[in-house]
Amino acid sequence: EAEVAQSPRYKITEKSQAVAFWCDPISGHATLYWYRQILGQGPELLVQFQDESVVDDSQLPKDRFSAERLKGVDSTLKIQPAELGDSAMYLCASSLYLADEQFFGPGTRLTVL
Amino acid sequence: SQKIEQNSEALNIQEGKTATLTCNYTNYSPAYLQWYRQDPGRGPVFLLLIRENEKEKRKERLKVTFDTTLKQSLFHITASQPADSATYLCALGPSNNQGGKLIFGQGTELSVKP
Repeated sequence: EAEVAQSPRYKITEKSQAVAFWCDPISGHATLYWYRQILGQGPELLVQFQDESVVDDSQLPKDRFSAERLKGVDSTLKIQPAELGDSAMYLCASSLYLADEQFFGPGTRLTVL
Repeated sequence: SQKIEQNSEALNIQEGKTATLTCNYTNYSPAYLQWYRQDPGRGPVFLLLIRENEKEKRKERLKVTFDTTLKQSLFHITASQPADSATYLCALGPSNNQGGKLIFGQGTELSVKP
């Protein structure tokens, strides 16, 4: 069964360092999402792509976060510089269509020291 | 702004009983609502989608209701099993039935005891 792949699974970094997360969605899925989930809360959308275009990045802290999906397939989320408050699970998801069920990857657990 | 509330306290039930989880929302009119299951340290897994013009939807032991007047969805697991223990998330879809942005609740932790 096709799955969303993410790497790394865990990342420990010091504040002010740069970190990057990678996501490979299910083949053929045009819509890709990046979420942040703090322990005990639900996922919060950071950015949504339709193919290579950003559809929604209203909750993305653009002074330190960036996301790209250059060829409309895999995607990278970057944080520079990382802050203590960025410690969270970063989830990638994809869907075949807009307004469709979303398939989530296993997530990247980020710890900022 | 829109607000979503799920049972804040964990739900503990006995195996074989029906678990009922609540999702209430305010200041919003979603075109659809989704329910996801999340196990510790893993990504959410989609369970069911129900649209605003549907009152009820079923899938095996799962049943979801959607009351747009009360602004509430109920999620039922019948004949619950210890393997159903997890956190369950409700998520509201956009009001215009376009786009894919979901707004998630904080989740309810369900524990089914044998």
